[in-house]
Amino acid sequence: EADIYQTPRYLVIGTGKKITLECSQTMGHDKMYWYQQDPGMELHLIHYSYGVNSTEKGDLSSESTVSRIRTEHFPLTLESARPSHTSQYLCASSDAGTSTDTQYFGPGTRLTVL
Amino acid sequence: KNQVEQSPQSLIILEGKNCTLQCNYTVSPFSNLRWYKQDTGRGPVSLTIMTFSENTKSNGRYTATLDADTKQSSLHITASQLSDSASYICVVSDRGSTLGRLYFGRGTQLTVWP
Repeated sequence: EADIYQTPRYLVIGTGKKITLECSQTMGHDKMYWYQQDPGMELHLIHYSYGVNSTEKGDLSSESTVSRIRTEHFPLTLESARPSHTSQYLCASSDAGTSTDTQYFGPGTRLTVL
Repeated sequence: KNQVEQSPQSLIILEGKNCTLQCNYTVSPFSNLRWYKQDTGRGPVSLTIMTFSENTKSNGRYTATLDADTKQSSLHITASQLSDSASYICVVSDRGSTLGRLYFGRGTQLTVWP
């Protein structure tokens, strides 16, 4: 079991609310990622980070933002949630020092915006 | 266009039976291929990883094969158990960029019936 945690696991909110999805890992990994996954569809990378103060946008355009102030923490924020943001959000981390760079995933946050 | 295609989309088998899941990819340059297991409502967990020079790898009742020439991989599950019910995702890494980009398939949804 990977030591990567996400909170909350489930969230139902109204349109226009600001939310922050938390992700933390205790493995000391430099690389962290946020993915969005809809039912029956592939994971889409929305943000990634190579280390503290490093953040980049992924392949899928997202209105969310991220920050990386500490190695172990990589929160994702939606300033104004909309129904189109309803999805599962998965956080992952990997060790940049390994050749295989296997990503370890958190349990995910299921977000529903009404 | 780099893609990962998985088949079948879904599969139902009886407990104790064997099954094989397929993955075809067009990702280039190829670095490695992973199979992940994703239980409902959870994050994916790595089962196997294979590099270009490896053509088979086992993890308990799971055996993955790779044919880098035809760009095909398979995941064979032996003596299936109810706990094998999950989505199995094929993920290919290209290492063509500094990100070491991952390409995800949509997964095969396996259901094991008693």
